[in-house]
Amino acid sequence: EIVMTQSPATLSVTPGERATLSCRASQSVSTYLAWYQQKPGQAPRLLIFGASTRATGIPARFSGSGSGTEFTLTISSLQSEDFAVYYCQQYNSWPPFTFGGGTKVEIK
Amino acid sequence: EVQLVESGGSFIQPGGSLRLSCAASGFTFDTHAMDWVRQAPGKGLEWVSYISSTSNTIFYAHSVKGRFTISRDNAKNSLYLQMNSLRAEDTAVYYCARHNWSFDYWGRGALVTVSS
Repeated sequence: EIVMTQSPATLSVTPGERATLSCRASQSVSTYLAWYQQKPGQAPRLLIFGASTRATGIPARFSGSGSGTEFTLTISSLQSEDFAVYYCQQYNSWPPFTFGGGTKVEIK
Repeated sequence: EVQLVESGGSFIQPGGSLRLSCAASGFTFDTHAMDWVRQAPGKGLEWVSYISSTSNTIFYAHSVKGRFTISRDNAKNSLYLQMNSLRAEDTAVYYCARHNWSFDYWGRGALVTVSS
């Protein structure tokens, strides 16, 4: 089973600043990596798939990069609606599909 | 517009059984694989089960294998999760999700609480 590790667990950011979230896989997942955003009381929403392709309707301030075992989600200028928990997930080697533990982006 | 609506969540005692349903609309259901993903209170996301578009291929997480059964009825655009021998650690919000390599659409979830 591929273990996904996200860091940091919590990221405190001032609105308008850049946020950089990291995700590491225990073995290579190529670019079969997705990012999700989850707000309190809501379902997760797909942001990025294929490590770097934005899903439908996702603003350009969200970008993903990386391949193999190291991945990054960057939010270029944080808006108030971006404060949420973000999860990475691999779909290279399954079952099982595995998620990281999440990064909470909070207001500084 | 793609919509996934779960139902069937409830409060149930350990050892009991429950069946969740997920009604799909806004897309061609019988051409998409589907999944169940759960989230325990205050915790992260855990994949539970996968079913291919024709039901030919099914997978389960180790934590539920032998207790849970995934199924679908393409004529009714519906996905199901039969949960037996429920345990306290199965307490979670259960989401159905459309499979598109990643999970591109999610329902709002159904809360299952297992407690005595």
